[in-house]
Amino acid sequence: ETGVTQTPRHLVMGMTNKKSLKCEQHLGHNAMYWYKQSAKKPLELMFVYNFKEQTENNSVPSRFSPECPNSSHLFLHLHTLQPEDSALYLCASSPVAGGVRNEQFFGPGTRLTVL
Amino acid sequence: GDSVTQMEGPVTLSEEAFLTINCTYTATGYPSLFWYVQYPGEGLQLLLKATKADDKGSNKGFEATYRKETTSFHLEKGSVQVSDSAVYFCALSISNFGNEKLTFGTGTRLTIIP
Repeated sequence: ETGVTQTPRHLVMGMTNKKSLKCEQHLGHNAMYWYKQSAKKPLELMFVYNFKEQTENNSVPSRFSPECPNSSHLFLHLHTLQPEDSALYLCASSPVAGGVRNEQFFGPGTRLTVL
Repeated sequence: GDSVTQMEGPVTLSEEAFLTINCTYTATGYPSLFWYVQYPGEGLQLLLKATKADDKGSNKGFEATYRKETTSFHLEKGSVQVSDSAVYFCALSISNFGNEKLTFGTGTRLTIIP
């Protein structure tokens, strides 16, 4: 595997379910990010982890719970979601968080539908 | 706060046509500017960037010039191909000594017809 991978690619869940999204980067980076992409809205940064420490929580509801066990893996745990949470969830990584020349590399995303 | 405004799509062009996608920004400091591209079923990829005023970013025939006086970073390509069909995102980033993040526009969907 190369680059940034995300699983699953598609997920349908009910409002009472608990599920997790997984992201893995094979680039040796130290920063990882979760974004939410909704139709006709700008990409919304949700969380930033730098060297496994959370450095940004962009006022995300507590029904989204991130976990970063090491610099290569990032999870997003989901519980009691709402239909308006349906979106494409993108993971990204960069060498470190910060520095204008640190390009972010994105995964293909998980398309989440909440019924 | 910082923001990016880009032209709304969708944009449909014929192959070999000239492309311009407008992007303007509002920022309190001196941002770096980016264009990202998202092909169908894939994540975003950096297309080009410029880190200071009057810089020109270029890649794959696409160009954009950082215009501080007009706070713009318009994307151009002289002759588009069907393979350029994708969603294009303009973004800015301001260095805040380790707490940097990208601010994206809403994206412009481009469709090239043969």
